Amino acid sequence: GIQVEQSPPDLILQEGANSTLRCNFSDSVNNLQWFHQNPWGQLINLFYIPSGTKQNGRLSATTVATERYSLLYISSSQTTDSGVYFCAWAPTTSGTYKYIFGTGTRLKVLA
Amino acid sequence: EPEVTQTPSHQVTQMGQEVILRCVPISNHLYFYWYRQILGQKVEFLVSFYNNEISEKSEIFDDQFSVERPDGSNFTLKIRSTKLEDSAMYFCASRDGAHTEAFFGQGTRLTVV
Repeated sequence: GIQVEQSPPDLILQEGANSTLRCNFSDSVNNLQWFHQNPWGQLINLFYIPSGTKQNGRLSATTVATERYSLLYISSSQTTDSGVYFCAWAPTTSGTYKYIFGTGTRLKVLA
Repeated sequence: EPEVTQTPSHQVTQMGQEVILRCVPISNHLYFYWYRQILGQKVEFLVSFYNNEISEKSEIFDDQFSVERPDGSNFTLKIRSTKLEDSAMYFCASRDGAHTEAFFGQGTRLTVV
């Protein structure tokens, strides 16, 4: 069925380390976003990236639509990067462009 | 920067009561959505709304739920008779086109007691 998988489910880093989060999806992509859920539960949009590569400060993301995956890179991690990272994907078969969310990667950055 | 606004940020209600969650999407957007997230779980799609009608709803969106866009600016989610299992964070989202970024509100945390 239509699904999206994220890995790893949990990640613990020392401050300053780099990491790569992965999102695999099962069909052609229409829209894709990465979110960071902060401790108050808010979904903070990081990237809208159905294809290609984008960078914003210490964060960057790449989506390879033909191979059905997206990567989120966090460099020089800080304690404020802690939280849950979600990938949300809308397949081309969705006429409403609704998002299907992954189960998230829970990141903890230690000082 | 334009944003999606949700009110209230937190609501506590008794089981069996009706609740209305409110959202003000970005003004020129065309597609509207409600999602929910039970504590510790992933975000799930509830319903999409386009051209003044529901365009898709999930299995979760049963007869207890309804949505309205009463005045061209507000977008509401009503739960007619709340259950304990309706306790969750509810997110409203909107987008202006098919291949564009979705903007999410800050969420309403609903607690049913």
